[in-house]
Amino acid sequence: SQELEQSPQSLIVQEGKNLTINCTSSKTLYGLYWYKQKYGEGLIFLMMLQKGGEEKSHEKITAKLDEKKQQSSLHITASQPSHAGIYLCGARRGNQGGKLIFGQGTELSVKP
Amino acid sequence: GAVVSQHPSWVICKSGTSVKIECRSLDFQATTMFWYRQFPKQSLMLMATSNEGSKATYEQGVEKDKFLINHASLTLSTLTVTSAHPEDSSFYICSARGGLAGEGTDTQYFGPGTRLTVL
Repeated sequence: SQELEQSPQSLIVQEGKNLTINCTSSKTLYGLYWYKQKYGEGLIFLMMLQKGGEEKSHEKITAKLDEKKQQSSLHITASQPSHAGIYLCGARRGNQGGKLIFGQGTELSVKP
Repeated sequence: GAVVSQHPSWVICKSGTSVKIECRSLDFQATTMFWYRQFPKQSLMLMATSNEGSKATYEQGVEKDKFLINHASLTLSTLTVTSAHPEDSSFYICSARGGLAGEGTDTQYFGPGTRLTVL
């Protein structure tokens, strides 16, 4: 099994609906990153979480890191077509020079 | 946010030739850059960590003689795919560690990627 599991793998929602994407780690997280990717393009940095219980928001996107630091959720409120894309969580593990391990991604489609 | 560029954005080459991909951090200095490979509909696979002024650290299973990495300055890292073959065709993405105040130096900012097709 993957070290970092994302769920769901794909998601189709109606415009205006809320949605949540989860990222679960098999090991303690020292830093959890959320990125968005359009197919065939680079990754856009969304948010970084480090402390257990931390929560950050940017526009209509909120990310949380649970107290035990092994799971994070990304919540989008009132989704829009512009939110469509692939959401990737990346985990930093202790002192490994800052390298990230990525989940398999969640493909989000938003129907107008 | 911090900007990372890659050049070229796409390249087609013949089997047996070498291809160089550049990764630049445009508005910040990056002591560490990372090179990833991504296959269609799959996640990113880390290939190597590139540190300015020293040899790159390769992940297990990545051939260092095939994928040459040079990090000559704090804003530039290059990946050269030597003697490319069709199985090397992929989407290569770099990232640079560092960036703007408030987000710390542990954030990785990604380039737009380079699509390599080897005929």
